[in-house]
Amino acid sequence: GQQVMQIPQYQHVQEGEDFTTYCNSSTTLSNIQWYKQRPGGHPVFLIQLVKSGEVKKQKRLTFQFGEAKKNSSLHITATQTTDVGTYFCAGLNYGGATNKLIFGTGTLLAVQP
Amino acid sequence: GAVVSQHPSWVICKSGTSVKIECRSLDFQATTMFWYRQFPKQSLMLMATSNEGSKATYEQGVEKDKFLINHASLTLSTLTVTSAHPEDSSFYICSARDHVRISPTAFFGQGTRLTVV
Repeated sequence: GQQVMQIPQYQHVQEGEDFTTYCNSSTTLSNIQWYKQRPGGHPVFLIQLVKSGEVKKQKRLTFQFGEAKKNSSLHITATQTTDVGTYFCAGLNYGGATNKLIFGTGTLLAVQP
Repeated sequence: GAVVSQHPSWVICKSGTSVKIECRSLDFQATTMFWYRQFPKQSLMLMATSNEGSKATYEQGVEKDKFLINHASLTLSTLTVTSAHPEDSSFYICSARDHVRISPTAFFGQGTRLTVV
């Protein structure tokens, strides 16, 4: 079945350093979404990318969707302690009776002040 | 934004009993709802897709007789963990799809932390 992998599994940075997590799908995606989950919380939607090669920015966060629509990345510039959490990509495939959102393995970000 | 309410937020039950978890879309109609399970420090694993008025579609390896899903209305889906065992202890999260919106695809409930003792 479809698999969505993320690297790294864990990243520890000093506050102010940059951070990047990479997401790779075994199949071509219709779109990709990114979520942030704080410890003990539920996933919170960050953004959705639809077009091949699309790049979107949200303040210090930059999201990219690969040309082949099989990979994506999230880059955080100058991390802050509030960025702590697990970042998940989630791939959506249109097709069949239902569109399913498959989550990546996640990257846990720790930020040291 | 759209709101999905999940209840209860946590529950402790005895081994062998059944637990029902509710997922409600509060301000939109959700033809489709999804149920996920998340073990500590792991990703969200899709368990099943719930469609209003029809049987749920279960992912491979998920026992449909153990995890009963009912989607009786456009705003409510329920997950019942039957004859719960300690290995069923997990964080269960629902999401509801708002077909009117383009983005995002689905909104998540707050999750239910189930502990079976």
